[in-house]
Amino acid sequence: GESVGLHLPTLSVQEGDNSIINCAYSNSASDYFIWYKQESGKGPQFIIDIRSNMDKRQGQRVTVLLNKTVKHLSLQIAATQPGDSAVYFCAENPRKAAGNKLTFGGGTRVLVKP
Amino acid sequence: DAGVTQSPTHLIKTRGQQVTLRCSPISGHKSVSWYQQVLGQGPQFIFQYYEKEERGRGNFPDRFSARQFPNYSSELNVNALLLGDSALYLCASSRTGEETYEQYFGPGTRLTVT
Repeated sequence: GESVGLHLPTLSVQEGDNSIINCAYSNSASDYFIWYKQESGKGPQFIIDIRSNMDKRQGQRVTVLLNKTVKHLSLQIAATQPGDSAVYFCAENPRKAAGNKLTFGGGTRVLVKP
Repeated sequence: DAGVTQSPTHLIKTRGQQVTLRCSPISGHKSVSWYQQVLGQGPQFIFQYYEKEERGRGNFPDRFSARQFPNYSSELNVNALLLGDSALYLCASSRTGEETYEQYFGPGTRLTVT
């Protein structure tokens, strides 16, 4: 079936460096994408979202890029901090008819080294 | 404002038993969705409720059921528990069922089936 997947299961990054987390999606009908951060023992925390009519969106220290041609999504974290250590998930809303159902990828663990 | 709350935090059940999990959405939010997150994987959509009606259902057996109350809180019921039902059960709330996509997750209920 349709799914959202990630290229790298674990990403180690030096504190202060930039992080890039990648995600591939297969449903070309998806019109909404979200990045979530999940720390151990907690529920997913909303980071940033992007709609299919955009190719870039910036937040505080984070940027999401959407390439619809190759169905690729990425999350860039600037000046990575120890508090950024977590598992990051991309999620898509397959189609509006499905309500607000989200399809999640498998997650990428980010480890920030001091 | 309080975020999404879930109860209980942890639960241990034996195979064949039944369990009820509870969720209170963010004040003003009318939609509640339930997700199952098996260790090491992304959340999987189970149900969405909006204005007390089921808006979406994922690929889960009929042993899983849910309902939403007039105050927009929700319960997830699982009958005839199997070992494979052991997971973190997440509740997410959003302002509406479709137009506003942002979903905010609660901390989850950790269910262990022995």
